Amino acid sequence: DQQVKQNSPSLSVQEGRISILNCDYTNSMFDYFLWYKKYPAEGPTFLISISSIKDKNEDGRFTVFLNKSAKHLSLHIVPSQPGDSAVYFCAATHTGGFKTIFGAGTRLFVKA
Amino acid sequence: DAGVIQSPRHEVTEMGQEVTLRCKPISGHNSLFWYRQTMMRGLELLIYFNNNVPIDDSGMPEDRFSAKMPNASFSTLKIQPSEPRDSAVYFCASSLESGLPGIQYFGAGTRLSVL
Repeated sequence: DQQVKQNSPSLSVQEGRISILNCDYTNSMFDYFLWYKKYPAEGPTFLISISSIKDKNEDGRFTVFLNKSAKHLSLHIVPSQPGDSAVYFCAATHTGGFKTIFGAGTRLFVKA
Repeated sequence: DAGVIQSPRHEVTEMGQEVTLRCKPISGHNSLFWYRQTMMRGLELLIYFNNNVPIDDSGMPEDRFSAKMPNASFSTLKIQPSEPRDSAVYFCASSLESGLPGIQYFGAGTRLSVL
């Protein structure tokens, strides 16, 4: 039973355009959501997060949107750069808990 | 800070052999996690330690898997006997319990191939 789902295994975008990565979750107890980025031969690194009390969080070129009613979040990267090519993991947890549930990841290709 | 250190980076072994993966968490972190990454299931939590004590091992797939944390700076994940279906990338991560929820620091992983 996958509580965090990333239905697109890969995404290809032209440099300078917007990249939109999507994520769905099923557990209503989740109240904190994160995106991690992973380059080949490296471990995942934290990118950006959002609390369930917000519907948007922005950090430079990266914005995460949360739609609680739809149990959906998305990561927008604008403008996309070749260095953004990586695997992006969506993750969810609840405050006070220790378990962070990760999705299967979406591989982003940004073409120059 | 050197970050989370895992060894070996790559391990190739034959079915039936014992495999031991090692992890050194970030100094001062009191939570340690072992994950397994596969194409189909993404990052699966295997076991979680807090202050060197195993809190949740419900993700450990079988009795063939075991993990220890003898002190705050070292943990091992052992597979005995190993099977081809154990082939995956294994990550160790550490965090501060008092930190922001869900933020963990990962090692570079160990790529395990069981032939």
